Amino acid sequence: DAGVIQSPRHEVTEMGQEVTLRCKPISGHDYLFWYRQTMMRGLELLIYFNNNVPIDDSGMPEDRFSAKMPNASFSTLKIQPSEPRDSAVYFCASRIAGSSYEQYFGPGTRLTVT
Amino acid sequence: SQQGEEDPQALSIQEGENATMNCSYKTSINNLQWYRQNSGRGLVHLILIRSNEREKHSGRLRVTLDTSKKSSSLLITASRAADTASYFCATSIQGAQKLVFGQGTRLTINP
Repeated sequence: DAGVIQSPRHEVTEMGQEVTLRCKPISGHDYLFWYRQTMMRGLELLIYFNNNVPIDDSGMPEDRFSAKMPNASFSTLKIQPSEPRDSAVYFCASRIAGSSYEQYFGPGTRLTVT
Repeated sequence: SQQGEEDPQALSIQEGENATMNCSYKTSINNLQWYRQNSGRGLVHLILIRSNEREKHSGRLRVTLDTSKKSSSLLITASRAADTASYFCATSIQGAQKLVFGQGTRLTINP
């Protein structure tokens, strides 16, 4: 398997623009997680899905952030409008249901909002 | 606030030496995991220890868990330059599917 795939790898945008980050989880994985990593706040869980259904979005910072998972092989994280404080590395991770809690991370998307 | 806190924040040792990193957490857990992150990359799972286990080994890695002290340690023996990375502990709370990560320890192995 190719692992978790994220696109784009780098995104530079201006404040106020809409940003869409994409993730393809590992085939057969039931859970998908979106994280944000910054120097100040570390690695934060934003939202996670189980079988394409959002389970916990308590980490989503505000209404400007939204996430969808239309099918088992694709998820998006959208920021509209973007702000400079959204600059971070965004990771997607997936895992399979069962006794193993190991998460598989994608390479991340580095977002810079100017 | 973060569930797990790593100590030290940064560690620099010579190749061949052993590296020990510690993690403390606040609430009862189901399991504790350690992940490695190389610069500019995603996190990679290293090892998982369950709440009813006290010690676990995987290659050059040794993890201990003390639930009474709410702490864990990761020992990397005979370190190599390729071990240079950030190491994170992550806790899973009973009944919850999500992980809570600590701030990480930046490990540098000097050749």
